[in-house]
Amino acid sequence: DAGVTQSPTHLIKTRGQQVTLRCSPISGHKSVSWYQQVLGQGPQFIFQYYEKEERGRGNFPDRFSARQFPNYSSELNVNALLLGDSALYLCASSPRVGSNQPQHFGDGTRLSIL
Amino acid sequence: DQQVKQNSPSLSVQEGRISILNCDYTNSMFDYFLWYKKYPAEGPTFLISISSIKDKNEDGRFTVFLNKSAKHLSLHIVPSQPGDSAVYFCAARLWVSGTYKYIFGTGTRLKVLA
Repeated sequence: DAGVTQSPTHLIKTRGQQVTLRCSPISGHKSVSWYQQVLGQGPQFIFQYYEKEERGRGNFPDRFSARQFPNYSSELNVNALLLGDSALYLCASSPRVGSNQPQHFGDGTRLSIL
Repeated sequence: DQQVKQNSPSLSVQEGRISILNCDYTNSMFDYFLWYKKYPAEGPTFLISISSIKDKNEDGRFTVFLNKSAKHLSLHIVPSQPGDSAVYFCAARLWVSGTYKYIFGTGTRLKVLA
């Protein structure tokens, strides 16, 4: 079975640009979460979606937005990119919110801002 | 406000010996704890978890211990193998505003020496 897949794997952008990252969850998983991991830190929660609705949001500015599609895949959008947005962006999926089944992560998108 | 702390950024252990990775937390409302392992250029991989109502969970070479009074979590790996060399993250789950949120520590880099 395919795990969580993310695209692209690497991306280079300049300040002020916009970026869209994509995530396909494990088949049968309806919940998708996005995390930002900067060097030397653990993953920081950005968003959670379940059944196409936003269920949770972390402490990130409004430049960050996301959505989930009917097939449960998800996109993370970041506008007006700043140098500090350079990070590994991770997507995680789980069958549903609240079960004691762990989130499973994709390999991430490495975003570099020049 | 770092609610989940891994105070040891790195740990070196001889092959065959026990590796003990530690994690401290501050919020008594966390109800579920997890350990993830991360290799370079890959996403975090789930290892083992424990509910807050238990004090020990074992899976093969991996055992997680929870001391709620001390707000302390530890992961024991016995025997340690060179393939265990990776960054280990502990994570804790919290019910916030109608959903579960996962908070990660900053990670401990384990090096198992052959």
